Amino acid sequence: KQEVTQIPAALSVPEGENLVLNCSFTDSAIYNLQWFRQDPGKGLTSLLLIQSSQREQTSGRLNASLDKSSGRSTLYIAASQPGDSATYLCAALYNFNKFYFGSGTKLNVKP
Amino acid sequence: NAGVTQTPKFRVLKTGQSMTLLCAQDMNHEYMYWYRQDPGMGLRLIHYSVGEGTTAKGEVPDGYNVSRLKKQNFLLGLESAAPSQTSVYFCASSSRDFSSTDTQYFGPGTRLTVL
Repeated sequence: KQEVTQIPAALSVPEGENLVLNCSFTDSAIYNLQWFRQDPGKGLTSLLLIQSSQREQTSGRLNASLDKSSGRSTLYIAASQPGDSATYLCAALYNFNKFYFGSGTKLNVKP
Repeated sequence: NAGVTQTPKFRVLKTGQSMTLLCAQDMNHEYMYWYRQDPGMGLRLIHYSVGEGTTAKGEVPDGYNVSRLKKQNFLLGLESAAPSQTSVYFCASSSRDFSSTDTQYFGPGTRLTVL
């Protein structure tokens, strides 16, 4: 059974710090890996998508990497800001229509 | 362009009552999905649809039914609500082509409480 795990469950950092969120998946036969942001009481917003053939994707201060062989993905956030405070979810796509989500990392960036 | 919308936003039911959650998308997407999110857990797929008139079971389908009579709408029904179905329900849609950078687009969620 496919399982996706995120560590840590919660993280609190001071503004300006660089940070890394971790995601691991048990089955390396993924189609793609995505990182989402979820604000309290809101839906999910896609941040980065990494195709199975890719190693990383970048968008502004965000960089996501993918290592299929080890079953890991990381989301790197540079120069964190209070506006980055949210829950970050990773999701692994194993076929064309089914995502398996991690339980998320709740990030708090303190001013 | 409203994206993905969900109705209602909040609902409180008593055990045994029934209700239908409506999801609508205006992006002409083929695929639509219903998820539930429980505290401390990620989203789990309930049912999905790969086109008008088609539905399929996801990871946690028991106690729910779905219908996709129109391409833009995907309905989630609870015939006899149970407290275990207290959750936040998210609808999502996506295009057919996963080889692109496309992704799933999510609605704002429906918070359901079953007493």
